[in-house]
Amino acid sequence: SSELTQDPAVSVALGQTVTITCEGDSLRRYLGSWYHQKPRQAPILIVYGDNNRPSWSPDRFSCSRSGNTASLTITGAQAEDEGDYYCGSRDTSGDRWVFGGGTKLTVL
Amino acid sequence: RLQLSGPGLVKATQTLSLTCSVSGVSVHSYGYDWGWIRQHPGRGLEWIGYISYSGTTHYNPSLESRASISVDSSQNQFSLDVTSMTAADTAVYYCARNRHDSGFLYYFDYWGLGRLVTVSS
Repeated sequence: SSELTQDPAVSVALGQTVTITCEGDSLRRYLGSWYHQKPRQAPILIVYGDNNRPSWSPDRFSCSRSGNTASLTITGAQAEDEGDYYCGSRDTSGDRWVFGGGTKLTVL
Repeated sequence: RLQLSGPGLVKATQTLSLTCSVSGVSVHSYGYDWGWIRQHPGRGLEWIGYISYSGTTHYNPSLESRASISVDSSQNQFSLDVTSMTAADTAVYYCARNRHDSGFLYYFDYWGLGRLVTVSS
């Protein structure tokens, strides 16, 4: 399969912890990556692989993988964390890319 | 590091040509591929294709017959051509750097700002 499946929408209370998941056969072989997109902005990389963060990503973001499921966790969600989150990985062929459909996060 | 240029308006049946200028690293540096992604209005991300540091290309099967990615080494930039544009190709187009740290870890670490391309009839 070349698909990654995400829940369309998730909400979290300010300061609480939320986990967004991404399921797909390709995740059994390839480590995924997560992107945050705010309205009218380009996506930015927030976490990838075995819980790695680029220098610009706050340490409240973390990720993990179990079987065919990748998870993004935000510990202590902030108002600025609202937006769309996409997972991505190489597909099962190894030559192409696939993105999840995206999860819209609302911080209450 | 990635600066996208090209038209914001294309007529139906014409070819879209976008260029992404890269600064800070050579497009032929080992460990980097150079990709294109698009996003239809109100929709999610759709991977279009990429060109590797060695010049190998791979495309989304849905666009493979119309898309072409190439590199201009002298300008340190890479380009996307999409032929036979239709209204369904109206989207924001992004260029991005795909880094691979191992055979199992790939990620887009830098993205261009994106360009809205509208196809008119």
